[in-house]
Amino acid sequence: NAGVTQTPKFQVLKTGQSMTLQCAQDMNHNSMYWYRQDPGMGLRLIYYSASEGTTDKGEVPNGYNVSRLNKREFSLRLESAAPSQTSVYFCASSDRQGDQPQHFGDGTRLSIL
Amino acid sequence: SQQGEEDPQALSIQEGENATMNCSYKTSINNLQWYRQNSGRGLVHLILIRSNEREKHSGRLRVTLDTSKKSSSLLITASRAADTASYFCATAKPSNTGKLIFGQGTTLQVKP
Repeated sequence: NAGVTQTPKFQVLKTGQSMTLQCAQDMNHNSMYWYRQDPGMGLRLIYYSASEGTTDKGEVPNGYNVSRLNKREFSLRLESAAPSQTSVYFCASSDRQGDQPQHFGDGTRLSIL
Repeated sequence: SQQGEEDPQALSIQEGENATMNCSYKTSINNLQWYRQNSGRGLVHLILIRSNEREKHSGRLRVTLDTSKKSSSLLITASRAADTASYFCATAKPSNTGKLIFGQGTTLQVKP
């Protein structure tokens, strides 16, 4: 049982380049989330999708877009990467909103030069 | 903005000792969750405690919640070297949107 799978695991981009981070879950969960983790900052929510076909902004959505492709897949896109977006990005999923634990992938480590 | 603040930021103990981590938050919650993160890995869920609960146990883990003080604690008893990790609390608001607000975490080192 793979759980939450993120690709790629590592990526280096130049300022201004675009990129899509992929996330897929095999637990038939309704809700999916994208976070970023910076040193000393904990995790901050970028976007989330409560169910297939819906997406909502989190705490730090600027510079990002998301697509809930189907129930399994939730992608995060950087249209024009900036050095401030250098971070570790985590995707998570949960069965229902709010009162269920979230299951995390192992992250994508993204550096923007 | 961060909802939870964790204390201490770092903790170093010997194997066999107990480790206590604290989390304070600012607004009303639906539940509070604790997660562990090993170096280079994603977060792993440990315990979820609802706002109407005061204490929960899971193996060597004990979590308490005091909603009047807006605080929670995580106790790891008889710690092992394998418990070395960062521990995060996360709160879910009563609006039940699914959004979690994470604290900055406590880094625990357990020395063999």
